[in-house]
Amino acid sequence: EVQLVESGGALVQPGGSLRLSCAASGFTFNMFDMNWVRQAPGKGLEWLSYISRSGNTIYYADSVKGRFTISRDNAKKSLYLQMQSLRAEDSAVYYCVRRSRGDSWGQGTLVTVSS
Amino acid sequence: DIQMTQSPSSLSASVGDRVTITCQASQAINNFLNWFQQKPGKAPKLLIYDVSNLETGVPSRFSGSGSGTDFTFTIYSLQPEDIATYYCQQSDSLPYTFGQGTKLEIK
Repeated sequence: EVQLVESGGALVQPGGSLRLSCAASGFTFNMFDMNWVRQAPGKGLEWLSYISRSGNTIYYADSVKGRFTISRDNAKKSLYLQMQSLRAEDSAVYYCVRRSRGDSWGQGTLVTVSS
Repeated sequence: DIQMTQSPSSLSASVGDRVTITCQASQAINNFLNWFQQKPGKAPKLLIYDVSNLETGVPSRFSGSGSGTDFTFTIYSLQPEDIATYYCQQSDSLPYTFGQGTKLEIK
């Protein structure tokens, strides 16, 4: 069974940093592109970042470019999102998503940016 | 960036009704159009990928069609468990983008 389990969400002050992790199991992790998608409370889905199977190709939404860094460790079957200079508008549930078509999603991890 | 315009934003229908949601892309997306269902407090679930391909295990009352820039999602014979918010998404080119969502309610 494919499983994606996010962790690392927390309450953080504006300007702070946080690192999210996503542990993958049930499939050959290094064979799949991965993404991060977020959803602010009561709002729609926002795609944030993409990383290719090898990690050589990376892309960010304009809203997080320069502040967030996506990475992966295929040996550990893990995906990461390093978030810096956090703002109130970054408060959301963050999802780890497999493939461009989004065929598997984690349960999400909540990030709250507030003083 | 490709903009996805989804309509309506909300919809009320009766059990057994046929429900249709539309999604329009700001440019052609080579049929890389996906539909998701999200129930309250849950992660989105892929229902249909590449316009019309039903994801494994998804009931056949869900259907997708369209081409170019105009796409349609249909639920034939609405069931109570279909109450959710539905999103379209283009996966043709980065940044991948979602429609605004359609909240479906039962009359």
